[in-house]
Amino acid sequence: GENVEQHPSTLSVQEGDSAVIKCTYSDSASNYFPWYKQELGKRPQLIIDIRSNVGEKKDQRIAVTLNKTAKHFSLHITETQPEDSAVYFCAPRGYNFNKFYFGSGTKLNVKP
Amino acid sequence: DAEITQSPRHKITETGRQVTLACHQTWNHNNMFWYRQDLGHGLRLIHYSYGVQDTNKGEVSDGYSVSRSNTEDLPLTLESAASSQTSVYFCASSELAGSDTQYFGPGTRLTVL
Repeated sequence: GENVEQHPSTLSVQEGDSAVIKCTYSDSASNYFPWYKQELGKRPQLIIDIRSNVGEKKDQRIAVTLNKTAKHFSLHITETQPEDSAVYFCAPRGYNFNKFYFGSGTKLNVKP
Repeated sequence: DAEITQSPRHKITETGRQVTLACHQTWNHNNMFWYRQDLGHGLRLIHYSYGVQDTNKGEVSDGYSVSRSNTEDLPLTLESAASSQTSVYFCASSELAGSDTQYFGPGTRLTVL
């Protein structure tokens, strides 16, 4: 199966700063790259995704960039706010078209 | 509104008992998944189904089984609960093959004593 690694495992930033989380994967056939946000005690929810024919996608304060050659994609959050505090997971879709392999998560803490 | 629900939300059971966790979705999605979430491991796939009568093993399927008799439901059964199966369990669904977004249920916290 897919080998997925996320870095860093924890990230603490000051409100207003930017945060970047990186996800590396092993399956060169992966073609869909989502990021999920999970608040404490809640379910994971999709916040942004990108497909293999696009290098970057932006949605207001969040963006995802993809480097297929290097097999990694990153989540960028600008102007962070306390409500961005959560655990973020990457989940690239591997060789099996409907199977997702989740990273171990990055706990983001935004200090007011 | 369409949704995905799980029951029970919390369950405490004893080692060796059989336990069934329910998952029900009203989106008419073909694909359904069961994950477990443990600290330091993210979400790990237990079983998944692409449609009625279809079930497949995920990366941590030992000790678990599923059945898919209709589109809406994918119950997860722990044949003989073990303390190592104490975890939070999430069900998810997505549309036909090629559709990407997974929608997660609220989760079931299972404790095996």
